[in-house]
Amino acid sequence: ETGVTQTPRHLVMGMTNKKSLKCEQHLGHNAMYWYKQSAKKPLELMFVYNFKEQTENNSVPSRFSPECPNSSHLFLHLHTLQPEDSALYLCASSQERPPDTQYFGPGTRLTVL
Amino acid sequence: AQSVTQLDSQVPVFEEAPVELRCNYSSSVSVYLFWYVQYPNQGLQLLLKYLSGSTLVESINGFEAEFNKSQTSFHLRKPSVHISDTAEYFCAVSGTGGGNKLTFGTGTQLKVEL
Repeated sequence: ETGVTQTPRHLVMGMTNKKSLKCEQHLGHNAMYWYKQSAKKPLELMFVYNFKEQTENNSVPSRFSPECPNSSHLFLHLHTLQPEDSALYLCASSQERPPDTQYFGPGTRLTVL
Repeated sequence: AQSVTQLDSQVPVFEEAPVELRCNYSSSVSVYLFWYVQYPNQGLQLLLKYLSGSTLVESINGFEAEFNKSQTSFHLRKPSVHISDTAEYFCAVSGTGGGNKLTFGTGTQLKVEL
């Protein structure tokens, strides 16, 4: 596979469930990102990892827990989410230094019941 | 810190007509500017970017954008649109000094009609 892949593409979960989103990049990049995309709102940067180290946490609630085991993989662990967390979650990767282009995955459409 | 304003949430246009999608930014530092496109059920794809040099930048599919520092704008234009250009377009900005953090606008839905 090429580019940035995300699984699952769709996820429905209850507020008491625990689930994980997975992102994998095949571009040799050193930086990975999680974004939240909600209708009528700008993309919200959630987390940034450079060389597996978290370099940005944009005041994200602790019910979202990221994990970056290596430069190619990024996870977002979810637990006790709220209905307002329903959104499209996008993963992206780039080289760590600007102005490198960020390449996005297709996203995971999350619905919290 | 930077911010991006895309005033038009939706732009309907007939096929083969010209279109302009507006983007204004605010920043206290020098910036890089980007336009991304999102087709239905897909992630964002880079359309074009301004880094330095010529203020007019072009994409491979006929879009162009001009960086106007005095007006803090980076409007996207295409002289003749096609049905396949129907998508959501996002303007984004990042500071030139350190980090690769993008700040996005709210997006403009371009709908091309026959």
